Amino acid sequence: SQQGEEDPQALSIQEGENATMNCSYKTSINNLQWYRQNSGRGLVHLILIRSNEREKHSGRLRVTLDTSKKSSSLLITASRAADTASYFCATVEGKGANNLFFGTGTRLTVIP
Amino acid sequence: DAGVTQSPTHLIKTRGQQVTLRCSPISGHKSVSWYQQVLGQGPQFIFQYYEKEERGRGNFPDRFSARQFPNYSSELNVNALLLGDSALYLCASSLWGYTEAFFGQGTRLTVV
Repeated sequence: SQQGEEDPQALSIQEGENATMNCSYKTSINNLQWYRQNSGRGLVHLILIRSNEREKHSGRLRVTLDTSKKSSSLLITASRAADTASYFCATVEGKGANNLFFGTGTRLTVIP
Repeated sequence: DAGVTQSPTHLIKTRGQQVTLRCSPISGHKSVSWYQQVLGQGPQFIFQYYEKEERGRGNFPDRFSARQFPNYSSELNVNALLLGDSALYLCASSLWGYTEAFFGQGTRLTVV
C-alpha cells in the first residue's frame, strides 16, 4: 500500500507558469523526499527535507513540510516543457532504515 | 561514474515461470533496495539489503526473494509468476542512513 496521496493526480499548465503539487502522508517521518520519473523509467531524486525543516529550496524547486498536518508541497517555478514528468513524494520513517514509501504521484504536463 | 545498472531492461515470462532480475549499485553504496511499480501507481517497497543482510521487507508474498553479494550487487527472484507480477521493477542504491536513493532504469517484466 502507498504511504500517502498526492494531489492533484494530473496537472496541465503553460510553459512559464508555476506548478504546485501536494503530498499527504500517514505516519511519523524522518524525512520526506521528492522524485521525478520520465516515461515510466527510473526515478531521479530532486530534493530531501528533514522532519525538523519547514522549507527548502533547490534551483526552481521549493518544498515545504508541515509535520503537524502530515503534508508537503512541491513548487516548480517558471516551468519548462522539459519538466513534463510524474512527480512522487516519498517518506522515510524513523526505523533505522531508509526504505522509501511513495505516494501515488502527480502527472505534470507543461505545454510549450 | 556509472549509475545504478539493472538487467535485463525488458523481460517476457509465462505464468508459473521463475525470473531473476539483477542490479549493480553505485560504487561505494552498500545498501540496495527493490521496488515494484505497477502501471499508474507509485513504487512499492519490496526489500532492502545492507552489507549482504536483509534489513527490510515490504508486504510481498514469499514468492519474492532477494540476496546481496559481497560486491554489493543484488538479485531479485520471483517464483511462480502471476499475471499481476507484471510491473516495472526498480533497484535503488544508497548510503546507509536517511539519505537519498539513486534508481536504475528498471526492468520491465511482462507476464503472459
